[in-house]
Amino acid sequence: EAQVTQNPRYLITVTGKKLTVTCSQNMNHEYMSWYRQDPGLGLRQIYYSMNVEVTDKGDVPEGYKVSRKEKRNFPLILESPSPNQTSLYFCASSPHGTGGGYTFGSGTRLTVV
Amino acid sequence: RKEVEQDPGPFNVPEGATVAFNCTYSNSASQSFFWYRQDCRKEPKLLMSVYSSGNEDGRFTAQLNRASQYISLLIRDSKLSDSATYLCVVNLGTGGFKTIFGAGTRLFVKA
Repeated sequence: EAQVTQNPRYLITVTGKKLTVTCSQNMNHEYMSWYRQDPGLGLRQIYYSMNVEVTDKGDVPEGYKVSRKEKRNFPLILESPSPNQTSLYFCASSPHGTGGGYTFGSGTRLTVV
Repeated sequence: RKEVEQDPGPFNVPEGATVAFNCTYSNSASQSFFWYRQDCRKEPKLLMSVYSSGNEDGRFTAQLNRASQYISLLIRDSKLSDSATYLCVVNLGTGGFKTIFGAGTRLFVKA
């Protein structure tokens, strides 16, 4: 089944404790992206990647890191999480970067206390 | 001004009603346009692309007005299962793969 798999689905952590949210797709898509979703603000792009070893900042990259060492994986790293990073995170992949044909993961609900 | 703006709603309509959503975008260089649907606490899913000439998919019609920089979604004969949040999506196309999502319009269809 074609899918984007995110883990974990739920995470509660403490301020400053490094964490990684994993994202993997099995569709051989070149384009992958991370979004956070907050009430009233919609989905905001954090980082995106157009191919292996090619990443770029979205609208809200501060406090996040990504890497794209393999085509299928695009982990999101929070080196020192803060409470304002409490949010719902989605990973998405697409065969191209035009906005259509996105397949989203099921989401990761992160709470930083 | 937000790059993509939508009326947050909620729109409360009876079954069988016709409902229309509008979305405005600020960047005239925007290339691609889409509507996504998001059910509560779930991931967004592509509903339809929006083409310059307008396009229809069953009960759903999407239109693009580049001169006024807005796109619209019309839902005819609303079903209970249409209850969801509808997200307007704009992409800048070549030279910038930024994809911008609107905050969404909430629709409730009641029996």
